[in-house]
Amino acid sequence: EAGVAQSPRYKIIEKRQSVAFWCNPISGHATLYWYQQILGQGPKLLIQFQNNGVVDDSQLPKDRFSAERLKGVDSTLKIQPAKLEDSAVYLCASSSSGQGNYGYTFGSGTRLTVV
Amino acid sequence: GDSVTQMEGPVTLSEEAFLTINCTYTATGYPSLFWYVQYPGEGLQLLLKATKADDKGSNKGFEATYRKETTSFHLEKGSVQVSDSAVYFCALSKNTGGFKTIFGAGTRLFVKA
Repeated sequence: EAGVAQSPRYKIIEKRQSVAFWCNPISGHATLYWYQQILGQGPKLLIQFQNNGVVDDSQLPKDRFSAERLKGVDSTLKIQPAKLEDSAVYLCASSSSGQGNYGYTFGSGTRLTVV
Repeated sequence: GDSVTQMEGPVTLSEEAFLTINCTYTATGYPSLFWYVQYPGEGLQLLLKATKADDKGSNKGFEATYRKETTSFHLEKGSVQVSDSAVYFCALSKNTGGFKTIFGAGTRLFVKA
């Protein structure tokens, strides 16, 4: 089966600019996650979707970050305006509904550098 | 709150050495435990898992046992290879109205030929 697809792989922007990341999960996976991984740290959950509804966005900085998952398939994560501390790898993961305790499948991530 | 603590790296070993990476957790209830591996420039890959106390997860020569009495899930491999060089993440997952996974900070492993 195809894995979790993410694009772009790399992005460099100036602070205060906006940026968007795209994720296509494994076909049939109802649950989609966006994680932020700062260099040298473990991934931190930003937002979790179940189909096209938000399950958990408690760690999402809502003043600048937004995410949507229209039609319960693809998802887009946006940052506007970006700050220097947003430099990180943004990972998308998916799992079958109710199978979160059996692990996730991650995409390769988007490395964002804010200068 | 729930958390995962891993031994700090980097861990540097010679090929064929024995590997242990320590992981302890703090959580209420009965979490599932995982080890993920991240190779350079890639996303995380699930390495192994255990869903209840005393379960042993194993894959590719790696293994870890879910120890509820010591709240630990240490990763071991009897003989490491250069290709095992990567960052290893311990994680726990609980159903809190949707499964949420919390990751440790990661431990970088270097294996020398």
